[in-house]
Amino acid sequence: SQTIHQWPATLVQPVGSPLSLECTVEGTSNPNLYWYRQAAGRGLQLLFYSVGIGQISSEVPQNLSASRPQDRQFILSSKKLLLSDSGFYLCAWKHSYEQYFGPGTRLTVT
Amino acid sequence: AQSVAQPEDQVNVAEGNPLTVKCTYSVSGNPYLFWYVQYPNRGLQFLLKYITGDNLVKGSYGFEAEFNKSQTSFHLKKPSALVSDSALYFCAVRDEGDYKLSFGAGTTVTVRA
Repeated sequence: SQTIHQWPATLVQPVGSPLSLECTVEGTSNPNLYWYRQAAGRGLQLLFYSVGIGQISSEVPQNLSASRPQDRQFILSSKKLLLSDSGFYLCAWKHSYEQYFGPGTRLTVT
Repeated sequence: AQSVAQPEDQVNVAEGNPLTVKCTYSVSGNPYLFWYVQYPNRGLQFLLKYITGDNLVKGSYGFEAEFNKSQTSFHLKKPSALVSDSALYFCAVRDEGDYKLSFGAGTTVTVRA
C-alpha cells in the first residue's frame, strides 16, 4: 500500500533562517506531488505541484521554493523565513482521481 | 476557473441526529468533487468522491454525498452523527482536465453527546 511521510512534524525557526521540509511517498511511482499551506486551521493554499522529476509548477509568488530531486521525494525550501511563513504545511500525492495527504509539518516562525 | 463555497463555518448537531455539510462549486467543464475530513493537527483524510455515474456516492465512516448538477451542489450527509465525527470538513473540486484541487474554507462540525 502507499504511504506518504513528512518531516519534521513540528519546527520552530527564527525569522531569516533557512527552511527545508521533506516529503516522501512509498509504494507508487511517478506520482503527482503537491505542497499546500494551511493557515489558522482553515482553508488550504496550493503552493507547488510537480508531475515528474525536476518539474515544478508554482502557484503563488512568495518566499518559498520547491524541488523534486527524486521520483518520490518533494522538498519545500526557503532561504530566509518570514513571520508570515508560519502555518501547517501539507504534502499530498495524487492517486487515481483523489489526493492523499501526509501528516503535515507545523512551522512556527519567531 | 474553479471554486468551492462552504456557506457554513460551523455546524452543530446532537449525536444520533442527521448531519449535513453544504458545498457548492463552480467549474468550466465537468466537475470532479471530493470531501475530506481533518482532525486537529492532522493531515486531511479522504472521505469520498464523485466522478461520474450515480448522483449519490457513499464513502468512509458512513458518510455519503449527493451530486446535484442543476444546483451545482455536493452536500455531505450522515444519517446518524457520532461524537467522533466532530472535525473540520473540506469540500474540493477540480475540473476534469486539471491537476489542481480547489478547496472550500472548511466547515467545523461539532456533535454533542
